[in-house]
Amino acid sequence: AQRVTQPEKLLSVFKGAPVELKCNYSYSGSPELFWYVQYSRQRLQLLLRHISRESIKGFTADLNKGETSFHLKKPFAQEEDSAMYYCALMGGGYNKLIFGAGTRLAVHP
Amino acid sequence: EPEVTQTPSHQVTQMGQEVILRCVPISNHLYFYWYRQILGQKVEFLVSFYNNEISEKSEIFDDQFSVERPDGSNFTLKIRSTKLEDSAMYFCASKPDRGSTEAFFGQGTRLTVV
Repeated sequence: AQRVTQPEKLLSVFKGAPVELKCNYSYSGSPELFWYVQYSRQRLQLLLRHISRESIKGFTADLNKGETSFHLKKPFAQEEDSAMYYCALMGGGYNKLIFGAGTRLAVHP
Repeated sequence: EPEVTQTPSHQVTQMGQEVILRCVPISNHLYFYWYRQILGQKVEFLVSFYNNEISEKSEIFDDQFSVERPDGSNFTLKIRSTKLEDSAMYFCASKPDRGSTEAFFGQGTRLTVV
């Protein structure tokens, strides 16, 4: 079965602290994994995709096939990082997205 | 920058009524999707649409749901006879082609069934 698990509903940190948002997946083939972000009152938007191996807004995510994980990390959180973060798996012939439940990141001053 | 646009932003309807949620995808995109998010729950795939037909649908997408692209511009989701449990945020998304990995989302329509 295709599934994405984000175990934390809320992650609360202080500005400047490191952040790790956890994501585990279950997928029978070679997964394509993404992190989407939703800032307050804004639409879902792509943050990172694993195939690009990029760093966006200081965030990185590494696909670990052995642990079936795709955790999102940032060494120093900023207040503007406060948002909902969704890990997603692209699957099926027409590339639907399978989302995790989301983690709310709250960065306090 | 082109965006996916959804209307209305909020729709309140009585149980048993029909609703049509509208989306205007980005103009050169070929793959279209509807997702929904019940309050407090995860974003769930409903249906994908390509080449003027449904390409994949979830078990949620039963006979009371339908989609169409009536005029080559709008992409609509119709719920024939709404139930209380249809109350959710509905998101439309599009992407340019099969190889593209980024889906572009609309801002969502909040449907409230009373």
